[in-house]
Amino acid sequence: EDQVTQSPEALRLQEGESSSLNCSYTVSGLRGLFWYRQDPGKGPEFLFTLYSAGEEKEKERLKATLTKKESFLHITAPKPEDSATYLCALSRGSYIPTFGRGTSLIVHP
Amino acid sequence: NAGVTQTPKFQVLKTGQSMTLQCAQDMNHNSMYWYRQDPGMGLRLIYYSASEGTTDKGEVPNGYNVSRLNKREFSLRLESAAPSQTSVYFCASSEVHRGLGNEKLFFGSGTQLSVL
Repeated sequence: EDQVTQSPEALRLQEGESSSLNCSYTVSGLRGLFWYRQDPGKGPEFLFTLYSAGEEKEKERLKATLTKKESFLHITAPKPEDSATYLCALSRGSYIPTFGRGTSLIVHP
Repeated sequence: NAGVTQTPKFQVLKTGQSMTLQCAQDMNHNSMYWYRQDPGMGLRLIYYSASEGTTDKGEVPNGYNVSRLNKREFSLRLESAAPSQTSVYFCASSEVHRGLGNEKLFFGSGTQLSVL
């Protein structure tokens, strides 16, 4: 059975304090690992797709990386507007993404 | 650009009542999905439709039915609502390119459902 585990469940940072969110997974035949951002009261919004170990993607203060067992979402010098829940998901042969439970990030000014 | 539109945004039902959640997408996507999101449980797949005319069960289908009305619309029906179905429901769509693996989802803004 596919497993997606995100840690920590919640993270509080000061503005400018860089950190990383973790998504560990067990799956045979990974097709893609996805990161989404979800703001309160809204649906998740797509951020990145990673396909193979060693791949990296960047967008503004966010950088996603992938190994054979886990993915990291690095947040550099975060701002309060980066506060959100970050979701990790993976898909394999079924093409149906399986989601982790998310990390709730709060960035204090 | 509307994307994925869900209605209603909020709904309160009594146990045993029925209702249909509506979802429409204007991106010409083949695949559509219904998820529920509960505190501490993450997003769980209820049903999905890989293409017009097909539907399949997801992880938590009991108590729900779906209809893929056409390529744009995918509805979720609760025939006899139960308190355990209190949740936030999200519809999503994607253009799945088999062989390319680009299954990123586009989500609606959600329906908050309370069953008393």
